[in-house]
Amino acid sequence: ETGVTQTPRHLVMGMTNKKSLKCEQHLGHNAMYWYKQSAKKPLELMFVYNFKEQTENNSVPSRFSPECPNSSHLFLHLHTLQPEDSALYLCASSQDRVSSSTDTQYFGPGTRLTVL
Amino acid sequence: DAKTTQPPSMDCAEGRAANLPCNHSTISGNEYVYWYRQIHSQGPQYIIHGLKNNETNEMASLIITEDRKSSTLILPHATLRDTAVYYCIVRPTYTGRRALTFGSGTRLQVQP
Repeated sequence: ETGVTQTPRHLVMGMTNKKSLKCEQHLGHNAMYWYKQSAKKPLELMFVYNFKEQTENNSVPSRFSPECPNSSHLFLHLHTLQPEDSALYLCASSQDRVSSSTDTQYFGPGTRLTVL
Repeated sequence: DAKTTQPPSMDCAEGRAANLPCNHSTISGNEYVYWYRQIHSQGPQYIIHGLKNNETNEMASLIITEDRKSSTLILPHATLRDTAVYYCIVRPTYTGRRALTFGSGTRLQVQP
């Protein structure tokens, strides 16, 4: 148990569906991340939020829409996805503060997404 | 971030110590050595990190050489549940929310 939870753990959706992934962190962190991990590929950073403000969008297609209502919750809204979007979607959090000795990222268990 | 080199795979007998090496010869003075692992189809799990001194926590020990050009992660009594890919990463003290980049890692297989 890392203090970062993700739901659902598995999701199968059609290309016309709309679904949302949820992430919650119980670590008191102020930065949250969405990563994508496709089969046999390295982690790809998608979005970064700091104190609810999006600070990075790594050229992600608009069919992925993040939402961060507060520092503890992060959502990824999905619509009109493609089969190649099938992957493990990972949420992470960290304490983003220059005065910190390190800003270790802690990951959730991931959501395994399959787009049919 | 400095580049790291790890062996692609290792085997270890259950109950024995697993020693996973990592070379990071271009490490800078302000860079930490981090270790994560990823069990199949799960999120990466943070294990330990260190700067200069050896570190120990409930999961593992990290031994960093005096010149900081290499390190070893030690799992003192490996179990079957420790079978995973282990990643050694070098990152600055403060990254400003930079993406975590994993290399190829070492696939550790713990044998019964």
